[in-house]
Amino acid sequence: EPEVTQTPSHQVTQMGQEVILRCVPISNHLYFYWYRQILGQKVEFLVSFYNNEISEKSEIFDDQFSVERPDGSNFTLKIRSTKLEDSAMYFCASSPQGEVTADTQYFGPGTRLTVL
Amino acid sequence: QKEVEQNSGPLSVPEGAIASLNCTYSDRGSQSFFWYRQYSGKSPELIMFIYSNGDKEDGRFTAQLNKASQYVSLLIRDSQPSDSATYLCAESGGYQKVTFGIGTKLQVIP
Repeated sequence: EPEVTQTPSHQVTQMGQEVILRCVPISNHLYFYWYRQILGQKVEFLVSFYNNEISEKSEIFDDQFSVERPDGSNFTLKIRSTKLEDSAMYFCASSPQGEVTADTQYFGPGTRLTVL
Repeated sequence: QKEVEQNSGPLSVPEGAIASLNCTYSDRGSQSFFWYRQYSGKSPELIMFIYSNGDKEDGRFTAQLNKASQYVSLLIRDSQPSDSATYLCAESGGYQKVTFGIGTKLQVIP
């Protein structure tokens, strides 16, 4: 069964450094998402991406964050200058379409980001 | 700001019993509702989705939706120790964003 994959599984970085989290969505999916989950807290929506542009973003997704689909398979989340509070599990997800009747998202295994 | 409310638990049930998990949501415009299972340190795994009022059954799982009361529930019949996990209720208003609740931790006691 096709899966969303994410690399690395764990990233440790120093505060102020840039990090790039990588995702390979399911191949025939059209919508891509990033979520984060701070330990013990809710899964929080960051951004959705369709047709090579952001379609929706949350208030968390400020200028420190950016997303890109650099080629036909990868989807990346960049955090320009990491803060301690960016430490969280970051999940990538993809879905085949965005209409409400088929609005289901398949999650990758996550990247645990630790900012020291 | 959309909210999805769940009791964080833990909810403890004996093996073989029915586990009942509940959730309320704040936005009457919400159209799609989801139950995800999340094991510790793992990603959410979709169990059920429901769009219409009433019940939807899939194996041991039944999702129930009452839009008038803004209430969603998940019943797990014949609970097994392997069902022990955190169950996340989530909603979507028809756009891509999914709003999650905090999750209810379920413990099935052998």
